Amino acid sequence: SQQGEEDPQALSIQEGENATMNCSYKTSINNLQWYRQNSGRGLVHLILIRSNEREKHSGRLRVTLDTSKKSSSLLITASRAADTASYFCATDASGGSYIPTFGRGTSLIVHP
Amino acid sequence: DGGITQSPKYLFRKEGQNVTLSCEQNLNHDAMYWYRQDPGQGLRLIYYSQIVNDFQKGDIAEGYSVSREKKESFPLTVTSAQKNPTAFYLCASTPGQGNQPQHFGDGTRLSIL
Repeated sequence: SQQGEEDPQALSIQEGENATMNCSYKTSINNLQWYRQNSGRGLVHLILIRSNEREKHSGRLRVTLDTSKKSSSLLITASRAADTASYFCATDASGGSYIPTFGRGTSLIVHP
Repeated sequence: DGGITQSPKYLFRKEGQNVTLSCEQNLNHDAMYWYRQDPGQGLRLIYYSQIVNDFQKGDIAEGYSVSREKKESFPLTVTSAQKNPTAFYLCASTPGQGNQPQHFGDGTRLSIL
């Protein structure tokens, strides 16, 4: 079964707006990762946040983690058409094999 | 530049045929992974290898086989036993064990003729 599930499944916004995607998971984790996938390409790693961290930034990306709610969010500020892609969260199960489990992803479309 | 190369980009399989997908990395990573991605789905783990000459089954290993004879190479064979092989196949690697950022290739799209 999949550990992480993203919400919403699809998101359509205008350039310049902020985009927020959420990830919920079921069991305790060591860390959570966010990846991006352009159509027909491989995944690209964006951010890794550890279970003892609450927030992390990288350029226009902001990731939060709430272990009490078993959820994470990815915020992309001032979005650009080039941000159009699918975004996946990946979690590992604490005490497990450390192999990340991927959700179904959020498909983001940014209209110019 | 270091990275992961998957080939071919597109592959067609005839019924009853085995096909092999190539994955090569020059990152000097110990661990390598194969995932299957279906439309609108997340990635499902087929096989992984944490060291040369060793590999483990993932969640959907039936109908697939792998080998890890060299550190840089982790080929995946889709056998005729895999009845629904049409999918996008992704290879990834990490420096070692543990939940680390994965580096991905650009995938192979397999279709049935």
